[in-house]
Amino acid sequence: AQSVSQHNHHVILSEAASLELGCNYSYGGTVNLFWYVQYPGQHLQLLLKYFSGDPLVKGIKGFEAEFIKSKFSFNLRKPSVQWSDTAEYFCAVNADSGGSNYKLTFGKGTLLTVNP
Amino acid sequence: GAVVSQHPSRVICKSGTSVKIECRSLDFQATTMFWYRQFPKQSLMLMATSNEGSKATYEQGVEKDKFLINHASLTLSTLTVTSAHPEDSSFYICSAIRGLYQETQYFGPGTRLLVL
Repeated sequence: AQSVSQHNHHVILSEAASLELGCNYSYGGTVNLFWYVQYPGQHLQLLLKYFSGDPLVKGIKGFEAEFIKSKFSFNLRKPSVQWSDTAEYFCAVNADSGGSNYKLTFGKGTLLTVNP
Repeated sequence: GAVVSQHPSRVICKSGTSVKIECRSLDFQATTMFWYRQFPKQSLMLMATSNEGSKATYEQGVEKDKFLINHASLTLSTLTVTSAHPEDSSFYICSAIRGLYQETQYFGPGTRLLVL
């Protein structure tokens, strides 16, 4: 079974600082990778996803993530964070079986606090 | 976008009673819905996968007689927590997909259950 680990439980940054949130997964086969964000009081929203192709994926709100297969990693980055990026970020993975498997395994989440 | 709603958003009940939580896809037909449970400061744990018109598939360790899932239509799935106990108190989140190739899950806002 696959598992997902997120290295940081809580990250605190000042506005304009650069962000990198770590995500590693354990699964030997082909995977699909996701980053979801949960703003305070809101539901989970998809930030970006990787299925295949260019390992550098760009998402909404200036976020991007890089899939490094050899490191089993899918780290999330943003060059300059804003106060409105304060939220909880979840990395998730599913085992690719021809596009018919939608079951997700989530990491524990990283709470990002951006101070103005 | 694809919108998923949950009702109620919050429920308090007495130990021994049953509670029903609804998950609806508002602007699309969901072939598959998922039910998750989230503990404080922890990840989302998949409880079960439900497909319209068929029995739900439960994850290992989830009691199917305790957590009854019904997916009677393409827009509605219900989770009933039977004979609820304080340890069932949690945040329950549903998600839905249309079943398209390489699709992502759309999440509901969650239901906070408190069993006294």
